Amino acid sequence: GAVVSQHPSWVICKSGTSVKIECRSLDFQATTMFWYRQFPKQSLMLMATSNEGSKATYEQGVEKDKFLINHASLTLSTLTVTSAHPEDSSFYICSVTSGRLGTGELFFGEGSRLTVL
Amino acid sequence: GQNIDQPTEMTATEGAIVQINCTYQTSGFNGLFWYQQHAGEAPTFLSYNVLDGLEEKGRFSSFLSRSKGYSYLLLKELQMKDSASYLCAPMDSNYQLIWGAGTKLIIKP
Repeated sequence: GAVVSQHPSWVICKSGTSVKIECRSLDFQATTMFWYRQFPKQSLMLMATSNEGSKATYEQGVEKDKFLINHASLTLSTLTVTSAHPEDSSFYICSVTSGRLGTGELFFGEGSRLTVL
Repeated sequence: GQNIDQPTEMTATEGAIVQINCTYQTSGFNGLFWYQQHAGEAPTFLSYNVLDGLEEKGRFSSFLSRSKGYSYLLLKELQMKDSASYLCAPMDSNYQLIWGAGTKLIIKP
């Protein structure tokens, strides 16, 4: 069965609106979740590392005020794309790791495809 | 800098064997992952190598040579459902996965 659930799978919104994407760890408590973005035919790009109970760690070039991450519980992290614009249209994927850092595989959510009109 | 090099695209025939190569350069090394990604879907885990040698798992095997910065994924008895992108992702000293663009594998009948 699924280990990580991501919602919504598809979202279309108007430019200027905000969109929230949820990532739930179903099988275990995840103190750390990762958020990725993937443009067509390109590699996964790590956006940020979400830490339960503390601020997320953002990768260089990712605007923390635009991509708000909240990791309020051990099973839920949310990514909010604020004031979305067409260039934010992408495939957003979350993942969790099952084991000790560096030894566990990553389990990915189903991904959320965002289209901003 | 950190770099991943794998072929952009490969074509193989159903029932055959294909080897997807990956060379990498990372700041430190904590193992290498292979993921499969079907079009429009999230990646799924295939294998993890941290020591040199071959790891076999059913129809899929993965090989690692740390001294050469080289890995390959071997797929046997190819099936049409194996048509997907295969992502090589080494983990650096900060335990961060470095992702390449992947190899798109096309299986023909």
